[in-house]
Amino acid sequence: KAGVTQTPRYLIKTRGQQVTLSCSPISGHRSVSWYQQTPGQGLQFLFEYFSETQRNKGNFPGRFSGRQFSNSRSEMNVSTLELGDSALYLCASSSGTSGHPEIDTQYFGPGTRLTVL
Amino acid sequence: GQNIDQPTEMTATEGAIVQINCTYQTSGFNGLFWYQQHAGEAPTFLSYNVLDGLEEKGRFSSFLSRSKGYSYLLLKELQMKDSASYLCAVVDSNYQLIWGAGTKLIIKP
Repeated sequence: KAGVTQTPRYLIKTRGQQVTLSCSPISGHRSVSWYQQTPGQGLQFLFEYFSETQRNKGNFPGRFSGRQFSNSRSEMNVSTLELGDSALYLCASSSGTSGHPEIDTQYFGPGTRLTVL
Repeated sequence: GQNIDQPTEMTATEGAIVQINCTYQTSGFNGLFWYQQHAGEAPTFLSYNVLDGLEEKGRFSSFLSRSKGYSYLLLKELQMKDSASYLCAVVDSNYQLIWGAGTKLIIKP
């Protein structure tokens, strides 16, 4: 089975621009979660989608948004980029078979490293 | 607020044993995960504990005490490839994953 894929792997943007990141989960997985990872901060939860619905959302401003398509692929959008948005953005998928995708094992993609100049 | 505490960095010797601790204060508890993350790579699943006690999986074991809000990851017979960050994450009462900042483990020959 192919793993979680994320595109692009690296991205350089300037302040004020917007960016869209893409995540393709493992085939059959219906839950997709997005995280921001910065040195010393650990993983910060952005949001989780299950069957095209946002089920959970972390404490990030409205500039961060996402969506999930019927094939479970997900996109994350960040508008009006700030320097502090520079980070590794990780996507994780899980099967969702437990009824609570958060306690299913999460399989992470390689991440998109975003640099905002 | 919700909080996960792990040591920032630990150093151990190849062939030895190391214990990485994780303490948590969260609103409710629905399980605790340990993940391994090599530099520049994605985190990979190591263990999931929801009941008290020790779970052993090869060279890695994970322990949980819910009453103490405490877990540890025990790595035996350390190998150089075990050099990585180890992430502790707790599922709270709202089924949200709360992540610690991770412990960077350095293995020396």
